[in-house]
Amino acid sequence: KNEVEQSPQNLTAQEGEFITINCSYSVGISALHWLQQHPGGGIVSLFMLSSGKKKHGRLIATINIQEKHSSLHITASHPRDSAVYICATRNRTPGGGADGLTFGKGTHLIIQP
Amino acid sequence: NAGVTQTPKFRVLKTGQSMTLLCAQDMNHEYMYWYRQDPGMGLRLIHYSVGEGTTAKGEVPDGYNVSRLKKQNFLLGLESAAPSQTSVYFCASSNAGTSGHNEQFFGPGTRLTVL
Repeated sequence: KNEVEQSPQNLTAQEGEFITINCSYSVGISALHWLQQHPGGGIVSLFMLSSGKKKHGRLIATINIQEKHSSLHITASHPRDSAVYICATRNRTPGGGADGLTFGKGTHLIIQP
Repeated sequence: NAGVTQTPKFRVLKTGQSMTLLCAQDMNHEYMYWYRQDPGMGLRLIHYSVGEGTTAKGEVPDGYNVSRLKKQNFLLGLESAAPSQTSVYFCASSNAGTSGHNEQFFGPGTRLTVL
């Protein structure tokens, strides 16, 4: 069973700061997801990646397959970025497959004005 | 498109009562999932389905049953609710694929309290 660990658990920063959230996992995976859970509870997919780096606006996600580690970066952080950020992995299954994701516990981010 | 919808949004049950949570998606996705989210824990997979008429157990299936009679709907049943099933339940769906690189789309969640 894959173990997904996130750090930090909680992070408070000032508006404009560069934010890094880390995710490590224990076994090989086929893909890693970064999700955002809003204070109201809704969950939105931010990134899905299996190698390298992806960028969307002020968000950047990287993954190092050899080190079993991924990071989510937020540049020029803003109070509206306040949310829980969740890392999740999709395990390798024979022939691909649809078994669900294994989730980290999330990082609670607060950006203060 | 409504995306993924869940019914009901909130429910309070007494121990031993039964209920069904409904998940519907209008994206023609093959795969559907039920997760539960508890304080201090990551989301955990209860059951999933790779297509109409098929279901499979996830990480925490005990006490739950599911059915996928129509492609767009995935039902989660609690036959005899227990306080340990107090949780927020999320449904998700995704496209089929052989690479496993499929984005999951989540419903808004159902908050269930079992007294």
